[in-house]
Amino acid sequence: GQQVMQIPQYQHVQEGEDFTTYCNSSTTLSNIQWYKQRPGGHPVFLIQLVKSGEVKKQKRLTFQFGEAKKNSSLHITATQTTDVGTYFCAGPWAGNKLTFGGGTRVLVKP
Amino acid sequence: DGGITQSPKYLFRKEGQNVTLSCEQNLNHDAMYWYRQDPGQGLRLIYYSQIVNDFQKGDIAEGYSVSREKKESFPLTVTSAQKNPTAFYLCASSPNTNSGNQPQHFGDGTRLSIL
Repeated sequence: GQQVMQIPQYQHVQEGEDFTTYCNSSTTLSNIQWYKQRPGGHPVFLIQLVKSGEVKKQKRLTFQFGEAKKNSSLHITATQTTDVGTYFCAGPWAGNKLTFGGGTRVLVKP
Repeated sequence: DGGITQSPKYLFRKEGQNVTLSCEQNLNHDAMYWYRQDPGQGLRLIYYSQIVNDFQKGDIAEGYSVSREKKESFPLTVTSAQKNPTAFYLCASSPNTNSGNQPQHFGDGTRLSIL
């Protein structure tokens, strides 16, 4: 079946620094979605990427979809304590389901 | 306000007991999902439903059952056959059956523990 893998599993980052988390699929994806889950909360949809090589920005977050549509990245600049949480990527599977990656847990050191 | 309501927030199960988790949505979405999340892990699909009176097994359906008698409601029963039920259970919905290409909206979740 389809597998979606995320690296790193944990990201400890100093407040104000930048970091990138990566998402890799075993199959080509029609789209990729990113979600954020705050500690103790539920996943919240952030963005969807559809086109090969697509780049989208949300304030300090930059999302990119790979040229082959098998990988994606999330880059956060000037990390803030509000960025704490787990970031999941998800890809469609069998048309009507999503397969979620294991997530990258972001911890911010003040 | 439209959204997904899960209840209860916390639930404790005794040995050999079946428990039912409620999920109600007023978003008029066709598709609904149940996920299980273990501590520090990702989301694993238990069951999903694309339309009333129809549902499909996900990746980890054993020990669980669901029903979809109304569009708004998709309750999950954790049966006594599920030997390790302690987890965070999340219900989600998406507008229609092409839901692999649509964002999912999640409820606040139910934390289930064994007594």
